[in-house]
Amino acid sequence: EAEVAQSPRYKITEKSQAVAFWCDPISGHATLYWYRQILGQGPELLVQFQDESVVDDSQLPKDRFSAERLKGVDSTLKIQPAELGDSAMYLCASSPRLAGSTDTQYFGPGTRLTVL
Amino acid sequence: SQKIEQNSEALNIQEGKTATLTCNYTNYSPAYLQWYRQDPGRGPVFLLLIRENEKEKRKERLKVTFDTTLKQSLFHITASQPADSATYLCALDGATNKLIFGTGTLLAVQP
Repeated sequence: EAEVAQSPRYKITEKSQAVAFWCDPISGHATLYWYRQILGQGPELLVQFQDESVVDDSQLPKDRFSAERLKGVDSTLKIQPAELGDSAMYLCASSPRLAGSTDTQYFGPGTRLTVL
Repeated sequence: SQKIEQNSEALNIQEGKTATLTCNYTNYSPAYLQWYRQDPGRGPVFLLLIRENEKEKRKERLKVTFDTTLKQSLFHITASQPADSATYLCALDGATNKLIFGTGTLLAVQP
């Protein structure tokens, strides 16, 4: 069964350093999402791509976060510089069709980020 | 303000009983609502979707109801098993066609 791949699974960094997370969605899925999940809370959408275009990045802290999906396939989320409050699980998800449809979202295993 | 509220405290039940989890929302008008399961250290896994014109949806031991008047969804697991222990998240479509998740309810099924 196809799965969303993410790496690394765990990342420990010091504040002010740069970190990057990678996601490979299920093959053929047009829509890709990056979520942040703080312990004890639900996932919060950071950015949503339709193919290579950003559909929604209204909750992305653009002064330090950036995301790209250059060829409309895999994606990278970057934080520079990292802050203590960025410690969280970063989840990638994909869905087959257009943003706004009722398609199920398929989540990857996440990257657990700890900022010291 | 817009809110999605799930049982904040963990739900502990005995094996074989029916677990009922609640999702209440305020100031949203969702066209559909989804339920996900999340195990510790893992990403959420989709379980069920129910649309606004559907009162009830079933899948094996799972049942979801959706009351747009009460602004509430109930998620039931019948004949619960210890393997059902996990966090269950409800999610609805927000105004900009994105999923808004609740905080989740931790379910613990005791053998």
